[in-house]
Amino acid sequence: AIQLTQSPSSLSTSVGDRVSITCRASQGISSALAWYQQKPGKTPNLLIYDASSLESGVPSRFSGSGSGTDFTLTISSLQPEDFATYYCQQFNSYPPTFGGGTKVEIK
Amino acid sequence: HVQLVESGGGVVQPGRSLRLSCAASGFTFSNYGMHWVRQAPGKGLEWVTFLHYDGNNKYYADSVKGRFTISRDNSRNTLYLQMDSLRAEDTAMYYCAKDSFGSSLWFDYWGQGTLVTVSS
Repeated sequence: AIQLTQSPSSLSTSVGDRVSITCRASQGISSALAWYQQKPGKTPNLLIYDASSLESGVPSRFSGSGSGTDFTLTISSLQPEDFATYYCQQFNSYPPTFGGGTKVEIK
Repeated sequence: HVQLVESGGGVVQPGRSLRLSCAASGFTFSNYGMHWVRQAPGKGLEWVTFLHYDGNNKYYADSVKGRFTISRDNSRNTLYLQMDSLRAEDTAMYYCAKDSFGSSLWFDYWGQGTLVTVSS
């Protein structure tokens, strides 16, 4: 199975900051990567698919980049509602796998 | 709008069985593959199983292969997960999730989840 390693595992930041989360795949997955946001006690929510395509309804401050093995989720200006845990997920091959998550907390 | 509503979770003893259901609405259920994804308490997300739109192709995580069975009833717009020989490590919130384009293996809608606790 393809392993996804996210970094950092957690970060403390402030409203208005620019935040970047990285996801590294154990082998090349082209652009077959999605990003999800999960708030405590809530369902995961799709943000990005195909590494850089923004899901409908997701604010434009979220963006994704990368291909092959290295990917980045960027939040251009963090808003109060963005404090959550973020997961990357590869869909290049079975089984689909998730990264371990990055918890974004208020400083 | 798309709605996925899971049910059937609960507390069960190790070695026993449980059947989860996921009622779908707001889209043409019979056109899309469907997944189950789980999340152990305080842990990350783990894909469990996938079923093609027509019910003919099924895929399982190694951790549940031979113990769990996914199925669907397109006439009832319902997805199922039969879980047998349950273990403590199966304790998790179980989400059903819609495949975005039928069998693309990423998830555009998720249910609210149903909690399964395996404990003696």
